[in-house]
Amino acid sequence: SQTIHQWPATLVQPVGSPLSLECTVEGTSNPNLYWYRQAAGRGLQLLFYSVGIGQISSEVPQNLSASRPQDRQFILSSKKLLLSDSGFYLCAWSRGRTDTQYFGPGTRLTVL
Amino acid sequence: SQQGEEDPQALSIQEGENATMNCSYKTSINNLQWYRQNSGRGLVHLILIRSNEREKHSGRLRVTLDTSKKSSSLLITASRAADTASYFCATDGSRLTFGEGTQLTVNP
Repeated sequence: SQTIHQWPATLVQPVGSPLSLECTVEGTSNPNLYWYRQAAGRGLQLLFYSVGIGQISSEVPQNLSASRPQDRQFILSSKKLLLSDSGFYLCAWSRGRTDTQYFGPGTRLTVL
Repeated sequence: SQQGEEDPQALSIQEGENATMNCSYKTSINNLQWYRQNSGRGLVHLILIRSNEREKHSGRLRVTLDTSKKSSSLLITASRAADTASYFCATDGSRLTFGEGTQLTVNP
């Protein structure tokens, strides 16, 4: 069966510090991968998605970047965090662009 | 935009009552999905209904789809406190797009 992992679960970082969140998927190959951000009590904002290694599409111009160094690994990064980067970050995978998405447990990021 | 919009934003009911949440969308779809999110957790897929289906059941869940009105509803029957969560609809266009969600609270 397929599983998706995210870490860390919780992160508190100072403004201006770098960020690296990692997401890995097991049990499937060539998945579509997604990074979302969710503000408290709100819906999902798609940040990045990837259909293959090295292929990244950005949905929203921002302070963040994403990379996919391996087929089942998706990394969200920032060189310098802003207060507005705080939120709940979710990674997800799907077989196709409009197929069911399977979500990781999320990372709660607080930038102080 | 293809984004679904849920209604109401928040719903509070007593255990045993039924909960109905609605989703409206703007353009044609191939399928519509409903997801659930417990507080502080990832979303979990509940059910998918295709554009040629009008109704679908899964346990205590009943989903309807009216493509002429571009709307869907999710009914949870005989609700339980454990059903407390946010519920999202997602529509397919160039990619899956999620709405803002309905926060359901089921009081014991």
